[in-house]
Amino acid sequence: NAGVTQTPKFRILKIGQSMTLQCTQDMNHNYMYWYRQDPGMGLKLIYYSVGAGITDKGEVPNGYNVSRSTTEDFPLRLELAAPSQTSVYFCASSPGTDDRIDTFGSGTRLTVV
Amino acid sequence: GEDVEQSLFLSVREGDSSVINCTYTDSSSTYLYWYKQEPGAGLQLLTYIFSNMDMKQDQRLTVLLNKKDKHLSLRIADTQTGDSAIYFCAEKQSARQLTFGSGTQLTVLP
Repeated sequence: NAGVTQTPKFRILKIGQSMTLQCTQDMNHNYMYWYRQDPGMGLKLIYYSVGAGITDKGEVPNGYNVSRSTTEDFPLRLELAAPSQTSVYFCASSPGTDDRIDTFGSGTRLTVV
Repeated sequence: GEDVEQSLFLSVREGDSSVINCTYTDSSSTYLYWYKQEPGAGLQLLTYIFSNMDMKQDQRLTVLLNKKDKHLSLRIADTQTGDSAIYFCAEKQSARQLTFGSGTQLTVLP
């Protein structure tokens, strides 16, 4: 099993550009999450999903959109990149039935210049 | 609102014990976690404790939970240079997402 796979690992965007951060899990987990980690800080929740077709805002959703058309995929969209979105983005998933353990991806380091 | 707080830095000598502290505010938290993050890497789950437990031991790691004071601690026995990293405390609330502290940078001195 690959677990949670995030692509790309690194990306540099210009202000105003758009991009999609991909996240895929092969564990048939119902719950998926997107977090961002700013330098010297903990992770903050951007969006989460409790199942296909269902998404909800987290603590810092502004400037982002998500979709969940399948159980496996939970892409995060940045429409108009801003320097404030320079961060490391982590995707995570959990079964939903067993709430103990979340599985994290290895992260996407995004720089907006 | 919910908040998780940790001290920012801790330095210990190799072989000593490290104690990293955390306070949280949400009394409905079900699980509390300690994650380790090495430079440029993702998060590694170290250990977790269910909210109705007081203590959990796992090899060199001991987690203590004081639910009355909403205080969580992580003790690392016989701290090694490989333990140098940032340690994050996190709580899982009823809505099932994790809320993280800002992390404690542990530096192990030779």
